Formats: sequence, C-alpha cells, structure tokens
Amino acid sequence: NAGVTQTPKFQVLKTGQSMTLQCAQDMNHNSMYWYRQDPGMGLRLIYYSASEGTTDKGEVPNGYNVSRLNKREFSLRLESAAPSQTSVYFCASTPNNDRRQYFGAGTRLSVL
Amino acid sequence: GNSVTQMEGPVTLSEEAFLTINCTYTATGYPSLFWYVQYPGEGLQLLLKATKADDKGSNKGFEATYRKETTSFHLEKGSVQVSDSAVYFCALSPRPSGSARQLTFGSGTQLTVLP
Repeated sequence: NAGVTQTPKFQVLKTGQSMTLQCAQDMNHNSMYWYRQDPGMGLRLIYYSASEGTTDKGEVPNGYNVSRLNKREFSLRLESAAPSQTSVYFCASTPNNDRRQYFGAGTRLSVL
Repeated sequence: GNSVTQMEGPVTLSEEAFLTINCTYTATGYPSLFWYVQYPGEGLQLLLKATKADDKGSNKGFEATYRKETTSFHLEKGSVQVSDSAVYFCALSPRPSGSARQLTFGSGTQLTVLP
C-alpha cells in the first residue's frame, strides 16, 4: 500500500518563485492536512480539509494556499516563496472512524 | 486553547537503559492522546494512543498511561535499543473535535541510544 505520497521530496527555490507541493492518499480518507516542521517547534498546521471540496486555515496559513482537487489529492501552493518558508512539509490524512493521522515522508524545501 | 508540553531534549541513553519522556497537556473535555515517532528522514508514525482516562497505550515495548488527574501521558520503555533512536512527539486530538480531527503536537524530543 502506498499510503500518503508526497512529491517532490526535495526542492530549492529562490525568493519570489512559486511552486506546488503535491499530496495524494489511496486510503479513501476524508480529512487531509498540511503541516510544517521547524526545529524545536514540532509540527504546526498550515491548512486542512475535512472533506472533498472544503478547506480551512490552520495555525500558520499566511503565504500558502491549498486545493482539495478530489478525495485523493490535497495540494499546497506557495505563490511567492520567502526564506521564512524554508521547512519540512508533511501531508497527512485520517479516516472518518479514527483520530490517527497517517503521514507522508515529507518535502524538504529551501528558499534562498 | 489546546497545548502539549514535552520534556526538552535531546536525551542520550545507553542501550538497555530505562526511558521516560514526559508529556503534559492542556485541553477542554476529554482529548485522545498519542505518541508519534519520527525516524531520520521519514514521516511521523503512530507509536501508541489512548482515548480515555486510565487507558494504557502500548507498542514495541513502549507504554504510556492517560492520567487525567495530572493531565499527563508520559512515554516509558524499560530497556531501550539503538534502533529506538528517533524523535518522539506527544499529541492530542480534542473532543468534540468537529469534522477535521486536528492534532496539536508537542515540540518533539530527540532520543539517541548509544551501544
């Protein structure tokens, strides 16, 4: 089983460039999440989607947009990357009947 | 709001030593509690969970007991191995949580086990 798949695994951007981080899950989960992980700060929620067609802001949404394209896919877009967005980004999903979240392997993003 | 406080690391132990990583939480109602583990270069994996007071979660020799009176969920293992070296995150999911079941994470504790 693939579980939660994130692409790319690594990315280097220049300040002001844009990019989209892709996430797909094959477990038929309703809810999906985007987190960023920074040293000493744990994981902070950027955006989440409780179901297909809905998205909501998390703790740190500024500078990001998301799209829940369908039940499987939830993408995160940086329109104009800033050095403060250098981080490791994780996508996760959870089924309706559980609180456990399943995580992808992460995307390491550096903004120069 | 909800919050999770973990003991600061890094923690360095010798193989076969006893491990405790402290975790306390603040939440309204009766949250579910989790420990996740992150091995180098990987995403987070669920290690164990507990959904109500006095529940004990256990997996791979790790245990944690949901203590509502002290709002704690400390992680313990009697004899650690080198392969346990990882970052450990305590997390909570509040109830009622609405449809999104968001998790609030602690800052993580880096564990290194030396042979």
